[in-house]
Amino acid sequence: AQKITQTQPGMFVQEKEAVTLDCTYDTSDPSYGLFWYKQPSSGEMIFLIYQGSYDQQNATEGRYSLNFQKARKSANLVISASQLGDSAMYFCAMKGPGGSYIPTFGRGTSLIVHP
Amino acid sequence: GAGVSQSPSNKVTEKGKDVELRCDPISGHTALYWYRQRLGQGLEFLIYFQGNSAPDKSGLPSDRFSAERTGESVSTLTIQRTQQEDSAVYLCASSLEVGAGPYEQYFGPGTRLTVT
Repeated sequence: AQKITQTQPGMFVQEKEAVTLDCTYDTSDPSYGLFWYKQPSSGEMIFLIYQGSYDQQNATEGRYSLNFQKARKSANLVISASQLGDSAMYFCAMKGPGGSYIPTFGRGTSLIVHP
Repeated sequence: GAGVSQSPSNKVTEKGKDVELRCDPISGHTALYWYRQRLGQGLEFLIYFQGNSAPDKSGLPSDRFSAERTGESVSTLTIQRTQQEDSAVYLCASSLEVGAGPYEQYFGPGTRLTVT
């Protein structure tokens, strides 16, 4: 069984600073994918970034990067130069190999960016 | 291109009534998921459709819940004899799950269901 743990229910960051949102996972599958989604107050889930278990490099997408430490089973999201619009819930998710596995989502972390 | 759409955006119903929620996935996406999100909670998987395969219904909480999908297009989630604990936002997501991954999901705006 797969499990995702997000231990930070809420985080605060000053505008323009960087912030790290924690995510640890557990799986017995050697092949898996890790995803981060953003959910603003409007409610729609937005895909941010993906990391495959066999990817050698940490994934980056604009201001988002994933600090993937496979041995520690962690996939923390780093947001650089925070903006007020980054205030939202952030969910970490894991998917098994291929397209036939149901994603497992964490409970989410609420991020508030202060001006 | 058009994203995932859901209707209605809001639904208020009386306890005991049946409701139907609709999801239009992104054209060409083979996989479709339904989730339930209670207030302040994470996503609870309900059901998964992939192509013409039998759906994975392992997340449906009771036999009052059912869902259908026509080919690789529209899906409807039906809740019969609604209960107050069914009040939640119901999210639909689609994904192109052929060939190599990563199979990221694209979500609709959700349907907020309130059972009075």
